[in-house]
Amino acid sequence: EVQLVQSGAEVKKPGESLKISCHGSGYNFAIYWIAWVRQMPGKGLEWMGIIYPADSDTTYSPSFQGQVTISADKSISAAYLQWSSLKASDTAIYYCATQNIGNAFDIWGQGTMVTVSS
Amino acid sequence: QSALTQPASVSGSPGQSLTISCTGISSDVGGYNYVSWYQQHPGKAPKLMIYDVTNRPSGVSYRFSGSKSGSTASLTISGLQAEDEADYFCSSHTRSNTWVFGGGTRLTVL
Repeated sequence: EVQLVQSGAEVKKPGESLKISCHGSGYNFAIYWIAWVRQMPGKGLEWMGIIYPADSDTTYSPSFQGQVTISADKSISAAYLQWSSLKASDTAIYYCATQNIGNAFDIWGQGTMVTVSS
Repeated sequence: QSALTQPASVSGSPGQSLTISCTGISSDVGGYNYVSWYQQHPGKAPKLMIYDVTNRPSGVSYRFSGSKSGSTASLTISGLQAEDEADYFCSSHTRSNTWVFGGGTRLTVL
């Protein structure tokens, strides 16, 4: 079964750093793009960026460029999203999703809830 | 880049057909046949319903179909069922080699 499994919920304070993960299984992880998507409480989906695990080629949305870092480790079929200094406005659910079909994201992780509060 | 424009809400009765629109510009929806549609039930991850404008992934009901004219894409749901009540998001590839989502449409089955 093709699936993406994300790391668990996080509660952090403003200014702290964080790295969340997304592990793929059931397919050749390295050769399919993985995207990260943000969903703030009660809001819509926002595309953050995408990485090609085989060579770590990465593209960011202008809205998220410089705010987060996307990385991948193809040897363990994992993608990561990290922050160096969290803000309260980073409170959201973060999804990873992969393109296994066409030019769309057909396999999604279960989401990681990140709460940033003092 | 701006989000694609979707109606905030639509509603219909069981058995009816309805269409959700998704309007972009020439550098996204209008320039590529890479529009996709996602269904999201409360507390769940999004689910791909349509990809590359008109294609249905395996396992998605034939009642869901997609189309595009110019810079506006559409998702049509025929034979509306209670289980179709959810949020729907469109997405498009862009000229900047990024993707953009629509603001989302809440579908209510009356």
